[in-house]
This record gives sequence, C-alpha cells and structure tokens, in this order.
Amino acid sequence: ETGVTQSPTHLIKTRGQQVTLRCSSQSGHNTVSWYQQALGQGPQFIFQYYREEENGRGNFPPRFSGLQFPNYSSELNVNALELDDSALYLCASSLGTGGSNQPQHFGDGTRLSIL
Amino acid sequence: AQSVTQLGSHVSVSEGALVLLRCNYSSSVPPYLFWYVQYPNQGLQLLLKYTSAATLVKGINGFEAEFKKSETSFHLTKPSAHMSDAAEYFCAVSDFKGSYIPTFGRGTSLIVHP
Repeated sequence: ETGVTQSPTHLIKTRGQQVTLRCSSQSGHNTVSWYQQALGQGPQFIFQYYREEENGRGNFPPRFSGLQFPNYSSELNVNALELDDSALYLCASSLGTGGSNQPQHFGDGTRLSIL
Repeated sequence: AQSVTQLGSHVSVSEGALVLLRCNYSSSVPPYLFWYVQYPNQGLQLLLKYTSAATLVKGINGFEAEFKKSETSFHLTKPSAHMSDAAEYFCAVSDFKGSYIPTFGRGTSLIVHP
C-alpha cells in the first residue's frame, strides 16, 4: 500500500510569486484535504476535495485554490505569495466523505519559505 | 462551532513516568475525537480515535485516551514514557455533520528525559 506522497519537500519563493504543490493520495482513497501548519501551530484546514469537487473550505482567501484529478491526486495553488504564507503544507487523504469517520492519512508535507 | 484546547504547550516527563496530555473540546453535537503524533519533519500519524463506541480508546504505541462527556475532555495517557515518544501531539475534533473536516488543537510538545 502506497502512502501519501507530497512534492516538493522544500520550496523557496519570493513575495508575489505563484506556487503549485502536489499530492498523491494513498491507494484507494478518494478524498484529499490540504492543511497549512505555521511554525508552532496545529494544522489549519484549507480545503477538501472529494471525487474532483471541492467539498469544504476553511478560512483562506481565494488566492488559495486547488484541483483533484481523476486518479485522486491533487494540487494546491497559491497566487500572490505573502510572507505569512511561509508554513508546512500538509496533504491528507481518506476514504469517503459525508460524515465519514475514516481517519486521514498525512503526507510528510512541503515546507514553503517566502523571502 | 467546534474547537479544541490543549493545555500546556510543553510537557516534560522522565523515561518510565506516566504521560498525560490534556485535551478539552467544544462541539454542538456528539463529536469524533482524534489524537495524532508528529515527529520532526514528518506529517501527522493517527494514534487513536473516538467514534461513540467505548469511552476508553486504545491506540498504537501503548497510548490510550478516555472520552468524558461531562468534562468535555479527551486526555491522552501512557503508563510509561519511552525516549521515542518525544514528539508533538495534536488533539482534533470533528463534528458528525457534513464533511469530515477536523479542527486541530495547537499541539503539545512531549519531552522525555533519560
């Protein structure tokens, strides 16, 4: 069973640039969620995709957007990067949604640094 | 709205001592509750989950947690700490309505002294 993989592991960008982070979900999982984890904080929910449709969104501005592909892999795109976007971005996959109590399986994250 | 409070940003114990990490939650409906562990430079790994079955939940690596509705608590314990338990621990709550979207606490760093 292949776990959740994220790429790249580290990334350095400057203010105003755009970034795309990628996630391959665990085999058999059809739901992907993205989180932002600032240093010393818990993960903050960005959004979730279920079968290629956005299925919930946290308190993040529209410059944070995403996609889910037919193979259930996913991308997180962030436009007009700001210094406060520096964080660890975590992807988590799970099976099912709509009240499912299935736990999420996390990747090791992408560390994004904004200069 | 659901929320989670983890008391103590750092907890320090000696190897072999009892581990107690505190978590209190608020939720308008019976919640699902989770504990995750995060080792340096890694993602989160599920330790255990409560989903309205037994109130005492046993997880991996010898950890367990007890759901106490009257106290709105879900504290994590382990009888005897190992050096390898040193990590960041996160409590999370998810209301059973709509999508499964957990809210995480700010985390507690467990330090284990030899």
